Amino acid sequence: DAKTTQPTSMDCAEGRAANLPCNHSTISGNEYVYWYRQIHSQGPQYIIHGLKNNETNEMASLIITEDRKSSTLILPHATLRDTAVYYCIVSSGGSNYKLTFGKGTLLTVNP
Amino acid sequence: GAGVSQSPSNKVTEKGKDVELRCDPISGHTALYWYRQSLGQGLEFLIYFQGNSAPDKSGLPSDRFSAERTGGSVSTLTIQRTQQEDSAVYLCASTPRGNSYEQYFGPGTRLTVT
Repeated sequence: DAKTTQPTSMDCAEGRAANLPCNHSTISGNEYVYWYRQIHSQGPQYIIHGLKNNETNEMASLIITEDRKSSTLILPHATLRDTAVYYCIVSSGGSNYKLTFGKGTLLTVNP
Repeated sequence: GAGVSQSPSNKVTEKGKDVELRCDPISGHTALYWYRQSLGQGLEFLIYFQGNSAPDKSGLPSDRFSAERTGGSVSTLTIQRTQQEDSAVYLCASTPRGNSYEQYFGPGTRLTVT
C-alpha cells in the first residue's frame, strides 16, 4: 500500500469547516483513499473512501486531486464531537483488509 | 440501524484465567475482523472471518488465542491462561461485503489482566 503523510495536528473553530490534508504521492491506479477517525477511548469509525472522483456522504466530503497524489477530507461544520485522530489510508482493498493506521492528524475543534 | 456491539465493555481478570469476548456484527455483514489496540498503539490485526470460516488467522499471537463464528453472525474470541501482556482493547469490525477496508467497528472490550 502507498505511504501517506498527514500533519500531526490541526485546530478548527466550532461551526467552521475542517479541511484535513493527506499526501499520497506514490498511489497506484487501483488504490483507493480511505479515511477513518478515532475519538478518544472509542473504536475507529469509517468515514469515507474514494478512487478518483470526489465523494460526499452524511459525514464528510473527500476531494481527490486530479493526479491523485493528494486528498482533503472536509468536515463542513465541525462540532466539538469531531475532535479525534483522523487517519488517511491508501489501499487497493481486496486482500489488503488488514487495517493499519499511521500516526494520523489530531483534529481539535475549539468552542 | 444497530451497529457492531461487543461485550463485555470492560473485563478485569486474574493472570492465568480464561476469558471470552463477544462480538455481534451488523446484520447481513458477511466479513468479521478482530483487532487489538494496546494503549497509545495502532491496530493489530488478529483474525478475519468470511461467513463461519477463518481464512486468515495469521494475527493470533499465540495458541492461547482462538476465535469462532457461528451462524455467520456472532463471534467469540477466547484467550486462555491470560497473561499481563494480553491487556488491551479488543476491537471487532464487520464489513457489508467480502473483505474490505470499509470496516465498521464496535466500541471494543477493554481487557485488564492483573
